[in-house]
Amino acid sequence: EDKVVQSPLSLVVHEGDTVTLNCSYEVTNFRSLLWYKQEKKAPTFLFMLTSSGIEKKSGRLSSILDKKELFSILNITATQTGDSAIYLCAVKNSGNTPLVFGKGTRLSVIA
Amino acid sequence: SAVISQKPSRDICQRGTSLTIQCQVDSQVTMMFWYRQQPGQSLTLIATANQGSEATYESGFVIDKFPISRPNLTFSTLTVSNMSPEDSSIYLCSVGVTQGGNEQYFGPGTRLTVT
Repeated sequence: EDKVVQSPLSLVVHEGDTVTLNCSYEVTNFRSLLWYKQEKKAPTFLFMLTSSGIEKKSGRLSSILDKKELFSILNITATQTGDSAIYLCAVKNSGNTPLVFGKGTRLSVIA
Repeated sequence: SAVISQKPSRDICQRGTSLTIQCQVDSQVTMMFWYRQQPGQSLTLIATANQGSEATYESGFVIDKFPISRPNLTFSTLTVSNMSPEDSSIYLCSVGVTQGGNEQYFGPGTRLTVT
């Protein structure tokens, strides 16, 4: 059974801090790993990673995948209160199957 | 990406009633999924909506409780039947937009409260 484990489950930091969110996975026929940010209702897409060692970057957010060790990290530098959200990691195997989600990391950034 | 709309965005319903949630996509997509997110929980897949055939339900979800329609490649509905307070949740429509659904996007969600 495909599985995604995220850590920590929750995190409280001060503005300006740098955070690292972790995602480990077990999936047959791995195809991709995706990160989402969920603030209110709908998750919004952040990154899709398919290859090891290639960093994806968007502003203060970056992510990298290690397919040998079966994990990914999401880094947020110089955090702001607007970064407060649940960050979801999901994996996709081959074929027309839906994503498998982790339980998420709830990040709270306080001023 | 795809632009996905859902109706209603929220509703408060009485127990024993049913609610139908609509999902509309601005382009034809092969794969559409329905998820539920109960308070404080992560996303749980309810079913895959298949165009032209019956939906494929995940363990713990049945067609009588969550009937799904998919009349074409841009539209789907999810009905929550005979509701109870335990059905209070956010319901999310999601679509896979590349071959094999490698990228998956979500609609804005429907927040359902059952009293």
